[in-house]
Amino acid sequence: GQQVMQIPQYQHVQEGEDFTTYCNSSTTLSNIQWYKQRPGGHPVFLIQLVKSGEVKKQKRLTFQFGEAKKNSSLHITATQTTDVGTYFCAQTSYDKVIFGPGTSLSVIP
Amino acid sequence: DSGVTQTPKHLITATGQRVTLRCSPRSGDLSVYWYQQSLDQGLQFLIHYYNGEERAKGNILERFSAQQFPDLHSELNLSSLELGDSALYFCASSGLSGGPTDTQYFGPGTRLTVL
Repeated sequence: GQQVMQIPQYQHVQEGEDFTTYCNSSTTLSNIQWYKQRPGGHPVFLIQLVKSGEVKKQKRLTFQFGEAKKNSSLHITATQTTDVGTYFCAQTSYDKVIFGPGTSLSVIP
Repeated sequence: DSGVTQTPKHLITATGQRVTLRCSPRSGDLSVYWYQQSLDQGLQFLIHYYNGEERAKGNILERFSAQQFPDLHSELNLSSLELGDSALYFCASSGLSGGPTDTQYFGPGTRLTVL
């Protein structure tokens, strides 16, 4: 069935280092959404990408949608302890939302 | 605070029992989505309702059912509970077209523990 894969599963970084998580699909995606879930919290919508090659920025976060619309990435510049959490990508299809397994980010102060 | 409310916050019950989880969407949102989050399965889409009608089903077991009422709140009914049903259950709401590309706002979740 439809699924998206994410790598890495876990990432531990020193505060100030950069972080990137990748989302990959075997099929072409109509769009990709990114969510963040803090420990003990609920998923919070970050952004949606729709166009091939699209790049969007939110402060230190940069989101990219691949040219073939089969992959996406989230890059955080100079991580802070507030970036700790699990980052999920999600694809939407036929009124369903399919989440990737997530990348759990730990930031060492 | 997303504006989506879920009750109860925690629920502890025994195998074989039946429970009902409740979700109130953000004011004006017509869509409600239900998700199950467990450690080994991640976030699993269960079902989507739009303005009272079922729009899409995901990996929802036959023992589970949901509905959305005229006032737009939704309930997720879980019956014949098994140990493996222990998980965090989230609902999310969205407005606009009712399609999944709308921004989804998640509630705080209900943590279900089946003993």
